[in-house]
Amino acid sequence: AQSVAQPEDQVNVAEGNPLTVKCTYSVSGNPYLFWYVQYPNRGLQFLLKYITGDNLVKGSYGFEAEFNKSQTSFHLKKPSALVSDSALYFCAVRDTIGNTPLVFGKGTRLSVIA
Amino acid sequence: EAQVTQNPRYLITVTGKKLTVTCSQNMNHEYMSWYRQDPGLGLRQIYYSMNVEVTDKGDVPEGYKVSRKEKRNFPLILESPSPNQTSLYFCASKEDRANTGELFFGEGSRLTVL
Repeated sequence: AQSVAQPEDQVNVAEGNPLTVKCTYSVSGNPYLFWYVQYPNRGLQFLLKYITGDNLVKGSYGFEAEFNKSQTSFHLKKPSALVSDSALYFCAVRDTIGNTPLVFGKGTRLSVIA
Repeated sequence: EAQVTQNPRYLITVTGKKLTVTCSQNMNHEYMSWYRQDPGLGLRQIYYSMNVEVTDKGDVPEGYKVSRKEKRNFPLILESPSPNQTSLYFCASKEDRANTGELFFGEGSRLTVL
């Protein structure tokens, strides 16, 4: 069965510093990986995805993520955090084998402090 | 503007009183889905639909019903709501049945069952 883990409930970072939000996954085949962001009182918004190809994926708002197959990870990164990046971030995975649903992690709350 | 629209956004009801949360998308998407979001549990899928007249159970379908009579609409029905269905509900859609597409989410419907 597929699963995804976000080991940190909360990440705090100072404005201007680099940020990392961690995600690890487990699938039977190969993964399709996604990151979504949720701002207060809003729905989730798509940030980026890895389907195939280049392991470094660039997405919206300056975010990027690196697919690491050996470590089964897909960490979200940004070189310089903004206060406006403060939000709840969700990693999601889908197995390429079979008609499997998209499974979401429990979310990581990012707080960027001015 | 491309969007997924849910109504109502907020609802307080009592145990056993049937209610419907509507969801409509204007992007001609084939796939639609309902999720519930609970603290510490992330997003869990309730039901999904690959196309008109086709619906399937997700991870937590108990106590819910759905229908997909038109491509744009995917209402969530709680026939006899109970307090454990108090949650934040999201409708989402994507353009194809392939597993690579990203989801577009509604703004959410916060339901409280007393």
